[in-house]
Amino acid sequence: GNSVTQMEGPVTLSEEAFLTINCTYTATGYPSLFWYVQYPGEGLQLLLKATKADDKGSNKGFEATYRKETTSFHLEKGSVQVSDSAVYFCALDDPSNTGKLIFGQGTTLQVKP
Amino acid sequence: GAGVSQSPSNKVTEKGKDVELRCDPISGHTALYWYRQSLGQGLEFLIYFQGNSAPDKSGLPSDRFSAERTGGSVSTLTIQRTQQEDSAVYLCASSLAGLAYNEQFFGPGTRLTVL
Repeated sequence: GNSVTQMEGPVTLSEEAFLTINCTYTATGYPSLFWYVQYPGEGLQLLLKATKADDKGSNKGFEATYRKETTSFHLEKGSVQVSDSAVYFCALDDPSNTGKLIFGQGTTLQVKP
Repeated sequence: GAGVSQSPSNKVTEKGKDVELRCDPISGHTALYWYRQSLGQGLEFLIYFQGNSAPDKSGLPSDRFSAERTGGSVSTLTIQRTQQEDSAVYLCASSLAGLAYNEQFFGPGTRLTVL
């Protein structure tokens, strides 16, 4: 079945460091891909998405490119801030086309000043 | 503006008791989803509603779990005879329609602890 695999955390970085969180997926067909973020004490919110191969999603300085050939959707940011500390979830939509999401395990990012 | 709300925010119950968790989606959103976030299992889909119908219940872990939605709005997730393994954060999300390109908006969750 469809699944998402994320790199295990926690990831600890200093402010202004470069961030990469790896995400790979297994899917039938051509799913849409998402990154959701959960800040401390807050609900999940959509960070960015890509709906087809080679699309790049971007928001708040974060980027991810839908790579069909490597079945990947890695999250990157050039210069992280303390306020980026959160749990990041990679997800894809189920092929049933109901919008139901299949999530990775989540990666905790801690950014130190 | 009003987002997705859930109640209660925290629920502590004893093993064997029944619990009801409530979700108020964003007004006008026809699609509603329940997910469960637990330490060992990550974020798992439970059930999907389109209007008042549940075309996908495939994620409900056992027949102790049920959910309903009334008036195309409020949804209630019921867990009967709770077990310790039911302890988790239960998340509700809604979207304009049950399609992949419609963003899902999540509520803050209900943290359930079964003693």
